[in-house]
Amino acid sequence: DTAVSQTPKYLVTQMGNDKSIKCEQNLGHDTMYWYKQDSKKFLKIMFSYNNKELIINETVPNRFSPKSPDKAHLNLHINSLELGDSAVYFCASSPPLAPDTQYFGPGTRLTVL
Amino acid sequence: QQQVKQSPQSLIVQKGGISIINCAYENTAFDYFPWYQQFPGKGPALLIAIRPDVSEKKEGRFTISFNKSAKQFSLHIMDSQPGDSATYFCAALLWSNTGKLIFGQGTTLQVKP
Repeated sequence: DTAVSQTPKYLVTQMGNDKSIKCEQNLGHDTMYWYKQDSKKFLKIMFSYNNKELIINETVPNRFSPKSPDKAHLNLHINSLELGDSAVYFCASSPPLAPDTQYFGPGTRLTVL
Repeated sequence: QQQVKQSPQSLIVQKGGISIINCAYENTAFDYFPWYQQFPGKGPALLIAIRPDVSEKKEGRFTISFNKSAKQFSLHIMDSQPGDSATYFCAALLWSNTGKLIFGQGTTLQVKP
């Protein structure tokens, strides 16, 4: 199926650990995004990449580092996890020159204990 | 100035009724206004969208009304159905700003049978 996929779907870890979330899209899009949805369901953009180039870098702790090995993949690495990092993280992608049409993945629920 | 304010936070409507969700924005540079629908455990999905040079857009039971002078827009769901029960997010996009979507706080809609 064509889609935006994320792994893992659930991630439970201890404070201080380092973890990664992977995202892949097979829609042929060239722009990918990471969003954070907090416990109140508020959605906020974190990063976006266009053809492996960082375009949007919001005010996010530098413990969060996106990496795009190719335009179909955008991974999110988080160092020294904190309780406040607990949230649902969504990856999204959009077609070339069409940021208005963003397709979201199913989300990764991160719980930091 | 980058905020999008959404109300109400939650809404309960009887089946067959009209659901109305309102949003307001400050930045007149926004040039695209989408609505996203999110079911529990899923990622947001684009529902309908409007550009500021149009006052109304209708797709099936979903209508966006846009008031440029008041800097407000709203989503109307006609003949609401239990299957419409979800969280709805309005958003605003600065197209020229590399596709950065600013989301409203979300409205949880429950349609009672």
